This record gives sequence, C-alpha cells and structure tokens, in this order.
Amino acid sequence: EAQVTQNPRYLITVTGKKLTVTCSQNMNHEYMSWYRQDPGLGLRQIYYSMNVEVTDKGDVPEGYKVSRKEKRNFPLILESPSPNQTSLYFCASRMTGNTGELFFGEGSRLTVL
Amino acid sequence: AQSVAQPEDQVNVAEGNPLTVKCTYSVSGNPYLFWYVQYPNRGLQFLLKYITGDNLVKGSYGFEAEFNKSQTSFHLKKPSALVSDSALYFCAVRDRGSARQLTFGSGTQLTVLP
Repeated sequence: EAQVTQNPRYLITVTGKKLTVTCSQNMNHEYMSWYRQDPGLGLRQIYYSMNVEVTDKGDVPEGYKVSRKEKRNFPLILESPSPNQTSLYFCASRMTGNTGELFFGEGSRLTVL
Repeated sequence: AQSVAQPEDQVNVAEGNPLTVKCTYSVSGNPYLFWYVQYPNRGLQFLLKYITGDNLVKGSYGFEAEFNKSQTSFHLKKPSALVSDSALYFCAVRDRGSARQLTFGSGTQLTVLP
C-alpha cells in the first residue's frame, strides 16, 4: 500500500529536549515536505526537499532542521524545542513536477511544555 | 507573491442539499489549484486539481470545482451533500511561473446535518 509514515504520532516533551520526527514514503517520490498545522492558519511549510541531498526552507523554518540522505526518508529535527513549536506536523511527498498532488502522512501531534 | 483565502471558517448544510466551499486566490501569473480534505485525526487527502484546460474539474467522492479566472476563484461544490462529507477542507495554490511552493488556505470546516 502506498503510504507516508510518520513517527511518533503523539509526543509530549519539555523545552530544550532534542527530538526527531521521522517520515518515510514507499512511493519512490522525489519531492518531500514538512508542514505544521495550527488553528486558523492552515498548513504552513517548514522545509522541503526536491531530491536526495537537496533541501530548502519553506515559510516557517526557524527552529527546525531536516536532512535527506535517502530518497524515502525525510526526518524533521527540533534541536531545542520551545512551546511555540507545539503543533500538528505533517509530512508529505509527491512526484517531481509542479502539478502532482501531495500524499500526506497521518500527522504527528507535538506538545512542548 | 501568492495567497489563498477561504472566507468561511465554517459551513453548515443539510444532507441532500448542494454544498459550496469558497476559495479565492492571488498569484502573479497563472495558477495551479488544488482541494484537499482532512477527516478527524487523519492526514490530508487529495480531492481534485486544476492545471489547465476545462474550467470545471471533477474529483473524488462526487466533488467538483470551477476555475473562474476573472473572479480568481476555485469554489468546491457537490450537488448533494452526505453526512460523511463532514470534514475540514483546504484550498491550495501555486503560481506556475514561480519557484514558490504550494500555499494553503486556512481551511473550512464543513458540517453536513442529518
């Protein structure tokens, strides 16, 4: 089954404790992206990757890091989480090109105390 | 610059009635337009897209949307709503001539009342 898998689905952590949210897709997609969803703000892009070893900032990259060492994986790293990073995070992937639709993971709800 | 607006946070409609979820956009050039749906505790799912050609686009689950260039709109419609259509709907836009990525609207919560 074609899917995007995120882990963990739910996480409560404390300020400053480094964490990683993993994302893996099995569709051989070149493009992958991370979004955060906040009430009234819709989805905002954090980082994206056009292919292996190629990453770019989205609209809200501050406080986040990513890496793309393999085509299927695109982890999101919070080096020193803060309460304003409490949010619902989505990983998504698609084929190369500007017209393809995104395939989303189920989401990771992060709470930073 | 590109942006998208969903002017209604909440839309309520009775089951069996037609539904419309509104979306307007702003781009410098020509747009690619998308609709996604999010059911509770799930990720977003693709519904339909406008790339080029026919202004009326048909998608999944009986939904359709009409691209109106003069009004810069891409409203989502369905002739007869189902209770199971209740979900959060997102419109998204990308300027064809831009390197910018997809921009999502703030979402519209659709509730279909039995």
